[in-house]
Amino acid sequence: GAVVSQHPSWVICKSGTSVKIECRSLDFQATTMFWYRQFPKQSLMLMATSNEGSKATYEQGVEKDKFLINHASLTLSTLTVTSAHPEDSSFYICSARDPRGGGHEQFFGPGTRLTVL
Amino acid sequence: GQNIDQPTEMTATEGAIVQINCTYQTSGFNGLFWYQQHAGEAPTFLSYNVLDGLEEKGRFSSFLSRSKGYSYLLLKELQMKDSASYLCAVGAPSKLTFGTGTRLQVTL
Repeated sequence: GAVVSQHPSWVICKSGTSVKIECRSLDFQATTMFWYRQFPKQSLMLMATSNEGSKATYEQGVEKDKFLINHASLTLSTLTVTSAHPEDSSFYICSARDPRGGGHEQFFGPGTRLTVL
Repeated sequence: GQNIDQPTEMTATEGAIVQINCTYQTSGFNGLFWYQQHAGEAPTFLSYNVLDGLEEKGRFSSFLSRSKGYSYLLLKELQMKDSASYLCAVGAPSKLTFGTGTRLQVTL
């Protein structure tokens, strides 16, 4: 199947700093990528849909000024958590659809574990 | 809105068969997905149903009834490595909505 990578795999930062997470589709081009957040023992919650060349679509309750998404190329989307606080500590996972396979399956990156002190 | 329900936890014995149910009420439907997720890892794709009926793939099978808003994932010949969370997700034209997930514990 298609491969999606994320970087970094984990990050620890101080409260008030910003953290950037990268999501790359390695062997296909993705016009759409998705960003999820997962708290311990909970399911994945969609935060936003990242669209190449246009603004991201945020889910209800997700602050677009706090979670900045940039999808500048067909293989890269970035999520920046601005002014991070301890409650932002979570597992952030991106996914992308591979249009070559009909486009219905989402391939997930390995996730980024963010810990805000 | 979207409402997807799964049992929170299940336990089964190695070698046995287990069925994980999922019921959903969603606005828009573009298929139902099952993903497996081991602790601390990203989900991996197991199955996709868009038409009613049973899809079989090795030890795993998935069933869908669109009129009942119901799906199940059937795992046969359980192995210890099958201990994981199993996520039911409904596809709408532009995104996936996940259920809360079912944590399956396989015991000896």
